Amino acid sequence: AQSVTQLDSQVPVFEEAPVELRCNYSSSVSVYLFWYVQYPNQGLQLLLKYLSGSTLVKGINGFEAEFNKSQTSFHLRKPSVHISDTAEYFCAVTPSGAGSYQLTFGKGTKLSVIP
Amino acid sequence: EAGVAQSPRYKIIEKRQSVAFWCNPISGHATLYWYQQILGQGPKLLIQFQNNGVVDDSQLPKDRFSAERLKGVDSTLKIQPAKLEDSAVYLCASNQGTGNTGELFFGEGSRLTVL
Repeated sequence: AQSVTQLDSQVPVFEEAPVELRCNYSSSVSVYLFWYVQYPNQGLQLLLKYLSGSTLVKGINGFEAEFNKSQTSFHLRKPSVHISDTAEYFCAVTPSGAGSYQLTFGKGTKLSVIP
Repeated sequence: EAGVAQSPRYKIIEKRQSVAFWCNPISGHATLYWYQQILGQGPKLLIQFQNNGVVDDSQLPKDRFSAERLKGVDSTLKIQPAKLEDSAVYLCASNQGTGNTGELFFGEGSRLTVL
């Protein structure tokens, strides 16, 4: 079984400042990793995903994440946040190569961008 | 391309009443998921369908929850009788099934309040 720990439940940051949202996972098998964003009263939207290859993954809206296998982490970063980035961010994991994907999600991190 | 459609968006019922949620996935997506998202937590998988067959319903409280996908397209999730702890957002998601890269496409969710 897999599990995901998002270390911060809330992260306030000033506009144009950098941000890092932390995610650690636990799994006995190889995994695929995802970051989703949820805006208020909306469903989840994929930001980026790591399947294989380069450990630095770039996504939409200027976000990127780095897969670190030794530390079992997949932290999300953005060099300069905007007000519109205010949302809840979820890290998720699924066993790789399973052919039929079931995502296990973390509890989420609420990012609040302060003007 | 139309996204995942869900209805109703909001529902308020009293405990011990019943409720049903409907989901229409993206056209051609073989796999359909129902997730439960309780306030302050990440989404938790309830049931996964591949076409019209159940792949995994191990976390579905079968004494009160039921789901079907009779024609392999749209799906209905039913709760009967509802309990207070069923208050949550019910998210439907879909993907292409085998051979895909693991991305799930989510609907906007159905928010249930049980009084």
